[in-house]
Amino acid sequence: GENVEQHPSTLSVQEGDSAVIKCTYSDSASNYFPWYKQELGKRPQLIIDIRSNVGEKKDQRIAVTLNKTAKHFSLHITETQPEDSAVYFCAASTPGKLIFGQGTTLQVKP
Amino acid sequence: DVKVTQSSRYLVKRTGEKVFLECVQDMDHENMFWYRQDPGLGLRLIYFSYDVKMKEKGDIPEGYSVSREKKERFSLILESASTNQTSMYLCASGRGAGNTIYFGEGSWLTVV
Repeated sequence: GENVEQHPSTLSVQEGDSAVIKCTYSDSASNYFPWYKQELGKRPQLIIDIRSNVGEKKDQRIAVTLNKTAKHFSLHITETQPEDSAVYFCAASTPGKLIFGQGTTLQVKP
Repeated sequence: DVKVTQSSRYLVKRTGEKVFLECVQDMDHENMFWYRQDPGLGLRLIYFSYDVKMKEKGDIPEGYSVSREKKERFSLILESASTNQTSMYLCASGRGAGNTIYFGEGSWLTVV
């Protein structure tokens, strides 16, 4: 079945710097790759997603890139702010379900 | 606005007890999911359902069962709770394959 690996597990950056989180997946049939943000004590919420027919997608300070050949995708956050501090999860679709990575705890220091 | 409601936010149960975790969604979604969240392990899929009375095992189904008698409701059952099932349980729902899923607030279960 699908397996998703996410790195790094923790990431600490200064406010204003960029942050990059990387994921790899195993099932070449996966075609949908969402990213979720989970603030402390809250539910995971979708922040951006990308489908396999697109190589890059951007939404303000957040962008996601996908390399289907290498089977990896990345989340890029520019001009980080303290409110970006949270746990971020990547996921890959496999028929009927989403498989998640292990999560990255991002800390943005003021 | 999508709403996925988990009726129990915090539960403390004794080893060997039967535990029911209930989840209701109001968006007429076909698919519903139960995940377990543990530090360093991410969100692991326990069971999912793509239709009423249908269920599929996820990656960690051992010790759990599920019930989906109505489209909007998906229940997770721990037949005989054990301490290693102490965790946060997240329900989610979504439309067919390859679509966004929406999570409930989570249920924190402690088994003593």
